[in-house]
Parts: sequence; structure tokens; C-alpha cells
Amino acid sequence: KAGVTQTPRYLIKTRGQQVTLSCSPISGHRSVSWYQQTPGQGLQFLFEYFSETQRNKGNFPGRFSGRQFSNSRSEMNVSTLELGDSALYLCASRLTGGGYEQYFGPGTRLTVT
Amino acid sequence: AQTVTQSQPEMSVQEAETVTLSCTYDTSESDYYLFWYKQPPSRQMILVIRQEAYKQQNATENRFSVNFQKAAKSFSLKISDSQLGDAAMYFCAYTFDSATNKLIFGTGTLLAVQP
Repeated sequence: KAGVTQTPRYLIKTRGQQVTLSCSPISGHRSVSWYQQTPGQGLQFLFEYFSETQRNKGNFPGRFSGRQFSNSRSEMNVSTLELGDSALYLCASRLTGGGYEQYFGPGTRLTVT
Repeated sequence: AQTVTQSQPEMSVQEAETVTLSCTYDTSESDYYLFWYKQPPSRQMILVIRQEAYKQQNATENRFSVNFQKAAKSFSLKISDSQLGDAAMYFCAYTFDSATNKLIFGTGTLLAVQP
């Protein structure tokens, strides 16, 4: 079974631009979560989607948004990029009714210049 | 507030030896799940082992085992017969709410394996 995939793997953007990252969960997993990883703040929860509905949101500004499609694929969008948004963005999927473990994708490395 | 603390920023172990990584957490919940994730230089986060709080028996996965002390809110990871491929950042993580997948992570322990 294929793992979680994320595209693109690397991205360079300029301040003020917007960006969209994509995540395809493991087949059969309907829950997708997003995390931001930075050297200073560590791993922080962004938001989570289940059956196309946002179930929980972390403490991030409204510039960070996401959505989930009927095939469970998810996208996250960051508008008006700031230098501090440079990070590794990780997506994870989970099998509903399973043991709570989440499986992570390889991440998207976003650099804002 | 739920927090996860890893007090060892870096650890080193000789190949074939045993090493223990520490993790403590703070929660008022009685039912929760704990995990250890490994992040090698490739940055891919890999699940190493999980522990359900309601289970008294410590989880084991091949060379990896945990020492779960619920009363002390401690969840350490023991790696036996360390291999060069075990070199990575190790994160302890916690979740408690069945209605959400939110994982709370520790700051990580960077493990070096010396040949």
C-alpha cells in the first residue's frame, strides 16, 4: 500500500505570495492532519480534516487554511507569505477507528525569501 | 495544558549498545496514547512505537521498547543493539482526544550512533 504523498517536495516563494501544498493520504484513510516544523517552534499542529470537514485547528493566523476533497486528498494554503512561514510542512493520515497512530508524508520544504 | 518534555537534546550510543531516551508529559486525562517517532536526515517521520495509556504492559517492537510509568507520567524509549540506521531525531508525542488527531510533540532528542 502506498504511503502518504506530498507535493511539491520543495518550494521557494517570495514574501507576499501565496502557496498551495497538496497531500494524498494512505488509501482508506479519511483523516488528514497538517503540521509545521521549524527549528525554533518545533512541530506544531495546524489543522485536521475528516470527511471534508475541519475538525480541529491549531493556533495559527487565518492566512493558513486548508480543505479536503471527497477522495480524502487535502490541500493547505498560505496567503500573504511571511519569512517566518519558511518551514517543513508535514501531512499525516490516520485510519479512522484505528489505534490513533498517524502516518506521515515526506513533507514539503517551503522557503520564503 | 498538555505538554511533552524531552530533556535530552542529544544522545550518543555505540553500535550494538543500548540507549534510553527520556520523555515526560503532563495531562489530566486518564485515557490517551503515546508515541515515539523517528525523523532521519531525510525528514520522513516514521512511527517507531505506540502505547495506550490503559494498557499496563509496555509496548515492544523488535529492538525498540518503552518503559511506561503512568503515575510518574513518564514514557521512555529503549533501543537495544543500536544500529547505524538508528541515528535520527526522535520525537515523543501524545494525543488524548478521540475526536481529533492533534499530536503534541516534544522537542526531540538527536541520537548519534558511533561505529
